[in-house]
Parts: sequence; structure tokens; C-alpha cells
Amino acid sequence: KAGVTQTPRYLIKTRGQQVTLSCSPISGHRSVSWYQQTPGQGLQFLFEYFSETQRNKGNFPGRFSGRQFSNSRSEMNVSTLELGDSALYLCASSLGFPGTDKNIQYFGAGTRLSVL
Amino acid sequence: DAKTTQPPSMDCAEGRAANLPCNHSTISGNEYVYWYRQIHSQGPQYIIHGLKNNETNEMASLIITEDRKSSTLILPHATLRDTAVYYCIVNSRNQFYFGTGTSLTVIP
Repeated sequence: KAGVTQTPRYLIKTRGQQVTLSCSPISGHRSVSWYQQTPGQGLQFLFEYFSETQRNKGNFPGRFSGRQFSNSRSEMNVSTLELGDSALYLCASSLGFPGTDKNIQYFGAGTRLSVL
Repeated sequence: DAKTTQPPSMDCAEGRAANLPCNHSTISGNEYVYWYRQIHSQGPQYIIHGLKNNETNEMASLIITEDRKSSTLILPHATLRDTAVYYCIVNSRNQFYFGTGTSLTVIP
């Protein structure tokens, strides 16, 4: 079956703008998690959505937000972009049952955002 | 919030076994250990996971100590394509804390 799809793959924005990234999970997966990867901070957890509700949230400012639709597709939004927001944004989907053996997260190829 | 500790880098000769260690001394009873790898800033690729028993699949083996405070990922016959950053992750409430990982270089 199809893997996790992220669009767009590359994006260039300027400071102060906002951006929306999209993630289509594997069919049947109800959990979508978002991560930011930068050379300095590595891979950091942003938030997780499960059945249209934010279930977990990392330590990021309120400029970073997300949502999940009834078909489990998810979007994340970054408002008032800063230079430091330049990163690879990764989305991962899973069945969403932590503490069980059925919770492998499958990652998309990511969206590379450059803020000028 | 990092829950795992890994050596920053390791080398392995092609064809030999690569043994990648990980410490996770604060792991809780129902938290699984996952291993992923990332090549050239692609999305991380799932390798294997386990709770308390040793696990093996077509890619690797996972050895977890009896006290569950550490684990070792074993790639039995490393190839050049196994050169990547390997992450050991403790899954806490469905949040993956990636840590800094181990950069494995397979040498011809």
C-alpha cells in the first residue's frame, strides 16, 4: 500500500509569511505526528494528532499549529516565519496505540522549508 | 527529554557485523524500544522494535538486556548501503524522542 505522502517537497518563503504543509498518512492509520529536523537541534517532536484531536504536543511556540481531518490527513501551519524555522519537516503515521506492539511510525520523505 | 544515549559515531568493515549500543536507563515498564535509521536527510526508516525479548527480522536483530536499561542493534553483515545515522528511541505516549543517534560508516 502507499506510504506516507508529504507535499510540497520543497518550499521557499520569506520572513513574516506563513506556510501550510500537508501529510497524507498510510491508509488505516489514525495517528499523524510531526517533527522538525535542523542541523543544530536534530529531530524534535512537534505534535501528534489522533482521530482529529491533538493528543501530544512538543515544546514549540504557538506559531506552530496543526490539524487533522476526518480522513486522517493532516496539515501543519507555521505563522510569522523566522529564519530559524528553516528545516526539514517530517510527518509520520501510525495506528496510534502507544504501549502496544502495533505502533510503528512510518515517515514521509519530508518537506524542506527555506526561510529567506 | 532525551531518553536514550548512543555513541556519536562508529565504523564497521563491510561484511562484518555492526553492533550499535544504546542506553535507556529510565525506560518504563510498557515503553517499547524502537530503532530507525536515516540516510542523507531522507525520512527515517523503521528497522526493528521490542519490549523485553530479543527480536529478529530480515534487517537486523535487537538484543535487550534483562533489566531493559540498554539494548544493542545488530546488523549481521553490514554493506555500504547501511551507512546512515541510527536512532534508538523509547516510545513514550506515542512521542518519539530521537536523541543524537549514531553515525555508522561502513568501510569497504
